[in-house]
Amino acid sequence: GQSLEQPSEVTAVEGAIVQINCTYQTSGFYGLSWYQQHDGGAPTFLSYNALDGLEETGRFSSFLSRSDSYGYLLLQELQMKDSASYFCAVRDTGGFKTIFGAGTRLFVKA
Amino acid sequence: EAGVTQFPSHSVIEKGQTVTLRCDPISGHDNLYWYRRVMGKEIKFLLHFVKESKQDESGMPNNRFLAERTGGTYSTLKVQPAELEDSGVYFCASSQYTGNTEAFFGQGTRLTVV
Repeated sequence: GQSLEQPSEVTAVEGAIVQINCTYQTSGFYGLSWYQQHDGGAPTFLSYNALDGLEETGRFSSFLSRSDSYGYLLLQELQMKDSASYFCAVRDTGGFKTIFGAGTRLFVKA
Repeated sequence: EAGVTQFPSHSVIEKGQTVTLRCDPISGHDNLYWYRRVMGKEIKFLLHFVKESKQDESGMPNNRFLAERTGGTYSTLKVQPAELEDSGVYFCASSQYTGNTEAFFGQGTRLTVV
């Protein structure tokens, strides 16, 4: 089967750094994406990794290790507005279907 | 530029009734996807249109679900007859090219079947 595993909840304080891990088991792999969703809102694209290594975009970074079928999203200098659900997603080798994890609910406390 | 819009935002129907969800993708986006999220679970792929053609409908749960995209513009997803387990949030997403790594999502339709 195809599955993505990520923690269900993470809590951190404002200004801290948090890492959300994702391991995947899929029949094909074309790349790992991360999406953010605030309650009641649309999932919005954060990052995409096709190759091993770290991609940095402002306070957010995403890492991929294809040999370990593992990636993570790193959020630095946490702000209250970062409280949301974060989904990792794998693009299938067919290039068309994107498979999502169940999401990690991040709570940022003052 | 308008984003992906979905209608209605919420729908409460009784078991056995029919509901039709609508998605208007971003103008010019050939690729349109339907997803569903049941509370606390993954955002599950339902199907993918390229223009008016169904590219992949492997995620459609059963024949009570019918998706259409006439003319390659907006899409509808009809559930008939609805069952309790169909409750969830139905998301639509679009992308301009099939190879695009970023998909733009709508805010979803929250369907509750009672």
